[in-house]
Amino acid sequence: KNQVEQSPQSLIILEGKNCTLQCNYTVSPFSNLRWYKQDTGRGPVSLTIMTFSENTKSNGRYTATLDADTKQSSLHITASQLSDSASYICVVSMDSNYQLIWGAGTKLIIKP
Amino acid sequence: EPEVTQTPSHQVTQMGQEVILRCVPISNHLYFYWYRQILGQKVEFLVSFYNNEISEKSEIFDDQFSVERPDGSNFTLKIRSTKLEDSAMYFCASSEGGLAGGPHEQFFGPGTRLTVL
Repeated sequence: KNQVEQSPQSLIILEGKNCTLQCNYTVSPFSNLRWYKQDTGRGPVSLTIMTFSENTKSNGRYTATLDADTKQSSLHITASQLSDSASYICVVSMDSNYQLIWGAGTKLIIKP
Repeated sequence: EPEVTQTPSHQVTQMGQEVILRCVPISNHLYFYWYRQILGQKVEFLVSFYNNEISEKSEIFDDQFSVERPDGSNFTLKIRSTKLEDSAMYFCASSEGGLAGGPHEQFFGPGTRLTVL
């Protein structure tokens, strides 16, 4: 069954600290992996999109990694800011259709 | 910067009533999508639309749902006879290329919160 699992479910860190969010997937055939940021009550916003051949991709303070062999990805946030408080969702695109397989997200809270 | 817009931001309706949710995708995009997110749950794919027809739909998208691109700018989702369990946030998205064709970025609208009483 095609699934995306994320951990932890929620995370609280202090402003200025770094954190890493995890994503494991069992999706086939794999096309690409996306990380989205979703503020409460808002639509998801794309952070990175990584294809099979990409190991690392950065977008400002966000760095995503992908290990296609172990089917794992991580999102590292550096020097967190209060505005980073949001849900971070890992999404995998299949090569065969138009659907995206969504994870449940990690709810990140940054405290001052 | 171009963005996907959705109206209304909040819709309250009685069970059994029809609702139409509206979206204006980014103008040069060719692929359009509807998703829903029940409060506290995962985003769920409903349907994708290309070249004036449905290209893919999920099990959720049953006969009570329909989509339409009535003109060159709007993309609508109609729910014919709403049920309590249709209460959710509905997101429209668009992309320049199809997801099956590569890592095309999807841009999401702000959502319409549908409440069915």
